[in-house]
Amino acid sequence: EPEVTQTPSHQVTQMGQEVILRCVPISNHLYFYWYRQILGQKVEFLVSFYNNEISEKSEIFDDQFSVERPDGSNFTLKIRSTKLEDSAMYFCASSGAKLAGTYNEQFFGPGTRLTVL
Amino acid sequence: GENVEQHPSTLSVQEGDSAVIKCTYSDSASNYFPWYKQELGKRPQLIIDIRSNVGEKKDQRIAVTLNKTAKHFSLHITETQPEDSAVYFCAASSSNTGTASKLTFGTGTRLQVTL
Repeated sequence: EPEVTQTPSHQVTQMGQEVILRCVPISNHLYFYWYRQILGQKVEFLVSFYNNEISEKSEIFDDQFSVERPDGSNFTLKIRSTKLEDSAMYFCASSGAKLAGTYNEQFFGPGTRLTVL
Repeated sequence: GENVEQHPSTLSVQEGDSAVIKCTYSDSASNYFPWYKQELGKRPQLIIDIRSNVGEKKDQRIAVTLNKTAKHFSLHITETQPEDSAVYFCAASSSNTGTASKLTFGTGTRLQVTL
């Protein structure tokens, strides 16, 4: 069964440094998402992406964040200058083609644990 | 925007008993309600979902009910087993054709099934 994959599984960085988190969505999916989960808390939406542009972003997704789909398979989240409060588990998700009146479930990757020191 | 409330935050049941987790949502435009199970350090896994044109859905020991008028939906697990122990999240989404649809999650319920 195809799965969403993410790399790295754990990233440790110094405050102020840039990080890039990578995701490979399920191959025939069209909609891509990033979520984050601070330890012990709920999963929070960051951004959604479709047709090579951002569909929606949350208040968390400020100018320090960006997303990109550089080729046909990868989907990346970049944090330009990390802050201590960016420490969290970051999940990528993807969902499939959407037809009128139907809704497709989102499949989550295993996550990247980001630790900002 | 959408706000999803989830109760209880923790739930302890004996093996074989039933467990019920409840969620409410605020946005009447929400039309898709998935439930995710998350084991410690793992990804959220979709276990069941329900769409707004259906009032109830069942999959073996798991069932979900939806009351659109009251904006409530619930997860029911019967004959609980130790492997059901995990954190369960409800979520809500309003899905429109041609757009990506974010999930708004509840705060989670830690279910502990004891022997």
